[in-house]
Parts: sequence; structure tokens; C-alpha cells
Amino acid sequence: GDSVTQMEGPVTLSEEAFLTINCTYTATGYPSLFWYVQYPGEGLQLLLKATKADDKGSNKGFEATYRKETTSFHLEKGSVQVSDSAVYFCALGGGSNYKLTFGKGTLLTVNP
Amino acid sequence: DVKVTQSSRYLVKRTGEKVFLECVQDMDHENMFWYRQDPGLGLRLIYFSYDVKMKEKGDIPEGYSVSREKKERFSLILESASTNQTSMYLCASSAITGTLGDTQYFGPGTRLTVL
Repeated sequence: GDSVTQMEGPVTLSEEAFLTINCTYTATGYPSLFWYVQYPGEGLQLLLKATKADDKGSNKGFEATYRKETTSFHLEKGSVQVSDSAVYFCALGGGSNYKLTFGKGTLLTVNP
Repeated sequence: DVKVTQSSRYLVKRTGEKVFLECVQDMDHENMFWYRQDPGLGLRLIYFSYDVKMKEKGDIPEGYSVSREKKERFSLILESASTNQTSMYLCASSAITGTLGDTQYFGPGTRLTVL
């Protein structure tokens, strides 16, 4: 079945550091790929998405490119801020029932 | 603006109680979902509904039931709460479109503690 594997955390960075959170997937067909973010005490918010191979999703300085050849959707940001501290979830969607399959989440802490 | 609301942010119940968690969305979405979130396990799907009165089991439906009498409202029911159901519960909704795996919109979550 479909599955998502993402980098285990926690990840701790200093402000203005470069961020990469790795995400790889296994799926049949051509799934859509998502990154969601969960700030402390809140629900999940969509950060970015890509619906086909070579698409790049971007939002708030974060980017991820849908790489079909490596089945990956790594999240990157050039310069993180303290306010980026959150849990990040990679997810894939596909099939006729509109379910999403989530990775286990990566906790990011950014120190001043 | 997109809005999914959940009836409580925090809830404390006793073992054996019947517990209702309510979720309401104002986006006229067809699909609604209930997840639980636990440390180290990520999000796990309990049940989902793709239409009024329609429901399907997710990955961990045991000990739970759901109700969807109106399009905007999706309820999760713990018939007899147990301590292993202490968790964060997240509701989400999405629209039916031509695109597979459409975006899900989440509520703020209910942190349930069963004593």
C-alpha cells in the first residue's frame, strides 16, 4: 500500500540556517504530494503541495519539488526563523476515496 | 476563509463514559475525516465520510463510531472510553474535485484525556 517515510526528528537549528527535511514515498499511480505544518497547540495547516512530477510547491519561503525518479518530496528553506518552529508532515494523496497518507512528522526547533 | 471547528479544545472523561466529539465545517465539503495523533505514530485515520449518512472505516476504527446526519457536521463517538483512547483528535474536510488527493483542511484538535 501507499506509505510515506520522512526524516526523524527532532531537528534543531539556529536562526538563518538552511533547512532540509527529507520525505520519500511509495505509491501506485501518480499521487499528489503535500507538506503540512502544525504549530504548537494547533491543527495542521497546508504549507504547500504538488500534483505532478517536476512540479515545485512553494509558500512562506519553503519549497519542495516532486521528484518521480527518486520518489521524493524534500522540504527546504534557505533561512529559517524562530517562528518556523513546528512539526512538519509529509503526505501523499491518491485513489478514489480522497484519503491522505501521512508521514510520522518531524519536529523542528529554531533557536535565536 | 476556510473554517473547520471542533466542539472542545480540551476534554477530560472517565473510563466507561460515552464521549462525543463534534466537528463542523463551513465549506460545503463532501468529505470529512477523523484522525488521532499520538507521539511517534503521526496521524492515523479512524473513520471518514464521503457523503451524508455514508462512512468508511479507516486504519484504526476499533472502539469508535461516527455519525454524519448533515453535510457540515461529522461526529466521532467513543461508546465506552478507555485510557488507551487518550489522544489528540483531529477533524478534517475536503472537497470532491477532479484532482486526486485534494487538500484537507483541519480543525484545531481536541485533546482528550480518559482517566
